[in-house]
Amino acid sequence: NAGVTQTPKFQVLKTGQSMTLQCAQDMNHNSMYWYRQDPGMGLRLIYYSASEGTTDKGEVPNGYNVSRLNKREFSLRLESAAPSQTSVYFCASRPGQGVFSYNEQFFGPGTRLTVL
Amino acid sequence: AQSVTQLGSHVSVSEGALVLLRCNYSSSVPPYLFWYVQYPNQGLQLLLKYTSAATLVKGINGFEAEFKKSETSFHLTKPSAHMSDAAEYFCAVTQFSGGYNKLIFGAGTRLAVHP
Repeated sequence: NAGVTQTPKFQVLKTGQSMTLQCAQDMNHNSMYWYRQDPGMGLRLIYYSASEGTTDKGEVPNGYNVSRLNKREFSLRLESAAPSQTSVYFCASRPGQGVFSYNEQFFGPGTRLTVL
Repeated sequence: AQSVTQLGSHVSVSEGALVLLRCNYSSSVPPYLFWYVQYPNQGLQLLLKYTSAATLVKGINGFEAEFKKSETSFHLTKPSAHMSDAAEYFCAVTQFSGGYNKLIFGAGTRLAVHP
């Protein structure tokens, strides 16, 4: 059981380049999330997907798009990278679809992205 | 809307000393609360969670937290710090909005443990 996996682990982009961050989970979880982590700001939610086929914006969605390809995979795309998107990106998943479920989120190891 | 405040972005303790990391929350509904730990260059790992079953929650690695509704707090403690406890700790509260279940994180507290 690999849990939540993310690729790549590190990436350096130039301003204006595009890229896709990949995330997959093998725990049969319904909900998946993308966060960014910046110093002193904790984790901020970019997008989430409550179930396969649904996505919704989080706290900081500007400049990003997502695709819930199937139940296992949830990708994050930067269409035109900007230096402000330099951050560590985490994918997470959570079992259960119920709104009032107290199941915790399980996190991947992160992708460190630098935009020059 | 729910929010989380962690008092102290950096905490330093001696090995063997008490660890106390503070978390206060605001929530318009009975909250679900979590503490996560992040070791250097790793993802977040769940330490413990409060789901209204018991106010004193025990987690992994000797950590525990007490839910105090009157103080809207969920402070994390450990009686005796180990060098291996050096990490960043995040408190989080569940937000229910738009029919979805999301986590709202505090800014984090970095714990340093010195000999």
